Amino acid sequence: GDSVTQMEGPVTLSEEAFLTINCTYTATGYPSLFWYVQYPGEGLQLLLKATKADDKGSNKGFEATYRKETTSFHLEKGSVQVSDSAVYFCALSTSNDYKLSFGAGTTVTVRA
Amino acid sequence: DAGVTQSPTHLIKTRGQQVTLRCSPKSGHDTVSWYQQALGQGPQFIFQYYEEEERQRGNFPDRFSGHQFPNYSSELNVNALLLGDSALYLCASSSGTGRPGNTIYFGEGSWLTVV
Repeated sequence: GDSVTQMEGPVTLSEEAFLTINCTYTATGYPSLFWYVQYPGEGLQLLLKATKADDKGSNKGFEATYRKETTSFHLEKGSVQVSDSAVYFCALSTSNDYKLSFGAGTTVTVRA
Repeated sequence: DAGVTQSPTHLIKTRGQQVTLRCSPKSGHDTVSWYQQALGQGPQFIFQYYEEEERQRGNFPDRFSGHQFPNYSSELNVNALLLGDSALYLCASSSGTGRPGNTIYFGEGSWLTVV
């Protein structure tokens, strides 16, 4: 079946540090890949997505590139802010499926 | 424009009881999915409703059932509650085919505690 494995947290960083959260996947079909973010007390929000190999998704300074050869979709941000503190989820869906399959989430805390 | 709204936001139930959670999709959306998010875990897909029919179901027992109304709103029902059903229940809406390649919007969820 489809599955997503992402870096375990929690991750604690100082402001302006570089953030990377690793995500790898296995999929039965050709997946679309997503990063969702859950801020404290809020629902899940789509952060970025990529629907085919070598696509780069980007939003709010975050980027992730769909790497089919390594089945990865790592999330990066060059300079984090306190407001980036949240739980980040990597997810996938395949073209023959209606559901999203999520990783376990990575909690990121950014300290001033 | 209201996003996805869910009710109630928090509730406490006793083992063996039944619960109903409600969801109104984002305006213009006709597809509703439900997810269970246990503490410290990623959301797990329960089922998806489209045109008032269950279109796909995840690996959840029959105690979990749902309904979609003609106005596209939806209910999630859980019977014979177990302690392990304690979780955040998320509703997600989308339009058209319901494929996650389309943008999906999530509600803030309903926190269920079973004691």
